[in-house]
Amino acid sequence: EAQVTQNPRYLITVTGKKLTVTCSQNMNHEYMSWYRQDPGLGLRQIYYSMNVEVTDKGDVPEGYKVSRKEKRNFPLILESPSPNQTSLYFCASRGQWGQPQHFGDGTRLSIL
Amino acid sequence: GENVEQHPSTLSVQEGDSAVIKCTYSDSASNYFPWYKQELGKRPQLIIDIRSNVGEKKDQRIAVTLNKTAKHFSLHITETQPEDSAVYFCAAVISGGYNKLIFGAGTRLAVHP
Repeated sequence: EAQVTQNPRYLITVTGKKLTVTCSQNMNHEYMSWYRQDPGLGLRQIYYSMNVEVTDKGDVPEGYKVSRKEKRNFPLILESPSPNQTSLYFCASRGQWGQPQHFGDGTRLSIL
Repeated sequence: GENVEQHPSTLSVQEGDSAVIKCTYSDSASNYFPWYKQELGKRPQLIIDIRSNVGEKKDQRIAVTLNKTAKHFSLHITETQPEDSAVYFCAAVISGGYNKLIFGAGTRLAVHP
């Protein structure tokens, strides 16, 4: 089954404690992206990757890092989380241009 | 910067009525417009999309129209059912090397029995 898998689904943690949210897709997609979803703001792009070792900032990259060492994986790293990063996060991937993005199930992060 | 505006933010209809959600985009070079439905606690899922060389597309009870001159596109849901209740997002691909997808802020649709 074609899917995008995120882990964990839920996480409550404290300010400053580094965390990583993993994302994996099994569709051999080149393009992957991270979004955060906040009430009234829709989905805002954090980082994206066009291919292995190719990443770039989206609209709200501050406080986040990513890596793309393998085609299927695109982890999101919060080196020093802060309460304003409390949000619902989605990883997505797509194939060629014009193809729809496939979203993971989301990760709800609460930073206390 | 480039943006997508979506209206209304909330929409309440009676079962069987039609619902219309409208979006405008700023990048005149945008050429791909997907619509996503997000049920409570779930991921956004594509329900329909349209490309700039087409003015209208239908899939059963849902349809999307595109007016490139005015830079707006709309989602139409006919014969609404309670299971249509969800948040709907429009999006537009902006021009550029990586064809970035910009989302509207979403419309919360409630269909009352």
